[in-house]
Amino acid sequence: EAGVTQFPSHSVIEKGQTVTLRCDPISGHDNLYWYRRVMGKEIKFLLHFVKESKQDESGMPNNRFLAERTGGTYSTLKVQPAELEDSGVYFCASSFLPGLLTDTQYFGPGTRLTVL
Amino acid sequence: AQSVAQPEDQVNVAEGNPLTVKCTYSVSGNPYLFWYVQYPNRGLQFLLKYITGDNLVKGSYGFEAEFNKSQTSFHLKKPSALVSDSALYFCAVPSGNTGKLIFGQGTTLQVKP
Repeated sequence: EAGVTQFPSHSVIEKGQTVTLRCDPISGHDNLYWYRRVMGKEIKFLLHFVKESKQDESGMPNNRFLAERTGGTYSTLKVQPAELEDSGVYFCASSFLPGLLTDTQYFGPGTRLTVL
Repeated sequence: AQSVAQPEDQVNVAEGNPLTVKCTYSVSGNPYLFWYVQYPNRGLQFLLKYITGDNLVKGSYGFEAEFNKSQTSFHLKKPSALVSDSALYFCAVPSGNTGKLIFGQGTTLQVKP
């Protein structure tokens, strides 16, 4: 079974540019989460999808961040325009059962974003 | 609000010695607790979780964790450390109705030969 995949693995952009990160969850997983780790700090939640619906966007930093999950399969996270403080590692995770707090989330390898 | 804390930024142990990576929690309701590991240049990998039942949880790569309700702790342990265990370890707790994970700040484990 393929795990969670993320693309690209690294992205270096200049301030003001746009970047789109992609996440492909494990097949059949309805839950998809985005997290990020900034500057060696703790990993913070960004948002949660169940299928194509956003269930919780409370962690999204501001309206420069836009996440989509069309068709309930892969998800994209767009940052437009990027700022220096957006640099960090963006992780995607998926799990099988919506609403089950004990369900294990499986993480992708992350995308390292550097904004210059 | 749910939270976890990892009091040590770094833990150093010699290969072959037992290791402990500490985690304490503060939750309302039933505590569900997770440990993840991040090896260099890799993503987070699930190690183990506590849901209910036996306080000693066994996980991947020979790791185990002990749930202690009175001390509100969930320390990660391994009887004999390997150099290849050197990595960044995160404790986490699910929060809210969506199961989003709240992470500790992470502990770097350095195992020296």
